[in-house]
Amino acid sequence: ELKVEQNPLFLSMQEGKNYTIYCNYSTTSDRLYWYRQDPGKSLESLFVLLSNGAVKQEGRLMASLDTKARLSTLHITAAVHDLSATYFCAVVGYGNKLVFGAGTILRVKS
Amino acid sequence: EAQVTQNPRYLITVTGKKLTVTCSQNMNHEYMSWYRQDPGLGLRQIYYSMNVEVTDKGDVPEGYKVSRKEKRNFPLILESPSPNQTSLYFCASSLSFWDGGVRAFFGQGTRLTVV
Repeated sequence: ELKVEQNPLFLSMQEGKNYTIYCNYSTTSDRLYWYRQDPGKSLESLFVLLSNGAVKQEGRLMASLDTKARLSTLHITAAVHDLSATYFCAVVGYGNKLVFGAGTILRVKS
Repeated sequence: EAQVTQNPRYLITVTGKKLTVTCSQNMNHEYMSWYRQDPGLGLRQIYYSMNVEVTDKGDVPEGYKVSRKEKRNFPLILESPSPNQTSLYFCASSLSFWDGGVRAFFGQGTRLTVV
């Protein structure tokens, strides 16, 4: 059974600092997604990572995938308040099922 | 405007009273799915559909039904709702499941309370 673990579950960081959110998964997969959710809102697709070594960047966010280690990272560079949200990773498992991590609540403080 | 529309946005119902949450997309997407979101658990997939008349169970299908009679609609049916189905529900669609590089669009969510 595919399990997806994110850490940390809660992250409070100062503006301008860098940090990384980790997403580990338990079984082989070749597709991983990152989503953002603002409070009370729906989910917004951020990145799709399809192969080992894939790296995607948009603004202050950069996502990478290591399929051998079953690990994806979401790196935040020079955080700004607008990045405050909950971030989810999700992995495609056996039978085309999509399994989400529990989410990382990110709060960027001025 | 490309969108996924869920209705209703909020619903309070009583145990055992059948209900349907509708989901409609206007992008001619093949793949649609339903999720429930509970605190500390992230999103869990209930059912998904690869195309018209093709549906399959996700991780938590018990107590739910779906149908996909036409491409744009993917309703979620609770035949006999129970309090443990109180949750926030999201519908999502994407062009094709196999084209994994394409982004998914999510509806605005339906907050269901079963008393």
